[in-house]
Amino acid sequence: NAGVTQTPKFRVLKTGQSMTLLCAQDMNHEYMYWYRQDPGMGLRLIHYSVGEGTTAKGEVPDGYNVSRLKKQNFLLGLESAAPSQTSVYFCASRSGGVSEQYFGPGTRLTVT
Amino acid sequence: DAKTTQPNSMESNEEEPVHLPCNHSTISGTDYIHWYLQLPSQGPEYVIHGLTSNVNNRMASLAIAEDRKSSTLILHRATLRDAAVYYCIPEAPGTYKYIFGTGTRLKVLA
Repeated sequence: NAGVTQTPKFRVLKTGQSMTLLCAQDMNHEYMYWYRQDPGMGLRLIHYSVGEGTTAKGEVPDGYNVSRLKKQNFLLGLESAAPSQTSVYFCASRSGGVSEQYFGPGTRLTVT
Repeated sequence: DAKTTQPNSMESNEEEPVHLPCNHSTISGTDYIHWYLQLPSQGPEYVIHGLTSNVNNRMASLAIAEDRKSSTLILHRATLRDAAVYYCIPEAPGTYKYIFGTGTRLKVLA
C-alpha cells in the first residue's frame, strides 16, 4: 500500500495563477481532508469529504475549492493564488468512526 | 469545538519518561481525545486515542483525568526519535474532523 500520496511535492506560483493539488489514497477510506500549515502553527482544516461526491467546509475554506469525484481522490483547487496561500498543504484520510487519520507527505506551495 | 491548552515546549533527557499534558476543560462527555506527533517536514502521525479510561499501546500511554478536563500522554522512555511536536485533539463523534492547536514541541537531550 502506498497509503496517502500527494502531487506535486513542491510548486511555485505567481499571484493570480491557478493550480490543483491531488491527493490519492489506496486504503478505501471514506473520509478525506485537506489542511494547511503555516510556519510555527498547527494544521488548519480547509475542506473535507465524508464520501464520494460530498464535500464540506472546514475552518479556512476561502480561496479554495475541492472535488471528490472518485472515492480514492480528493482534489484541492486554487483558482487565483494569493501570497497568503503560501503554506504546506497536507491531505489525510480515515476509514470512519473515530479511527486514526493517515496523512500524506505534504505539498509545499509558494505564491510570489 | 473543544479548546485545548498545551505547553509550547518541553525538554526531556533520553531514556527518561516524558509526561505531556493537555488541558481540554470544555470537552463534552462523548468527545474522544486523540494524540498525534509531527516530525520535522512530515505529516502528523497517529499516537493514541481514548475516551474515558486510560489507554496503552506500543508507542505510548494515555492517562485521562477522571473529570476528563485534562489528559497526559506518557512516553515511557524518551528516545532522540521522539523529538517532535505533539498535538492533543478532541473530537466530537459525528463531526468527522479535527481542530489542531499549536501543540507541544518536545526536545530530547542526549
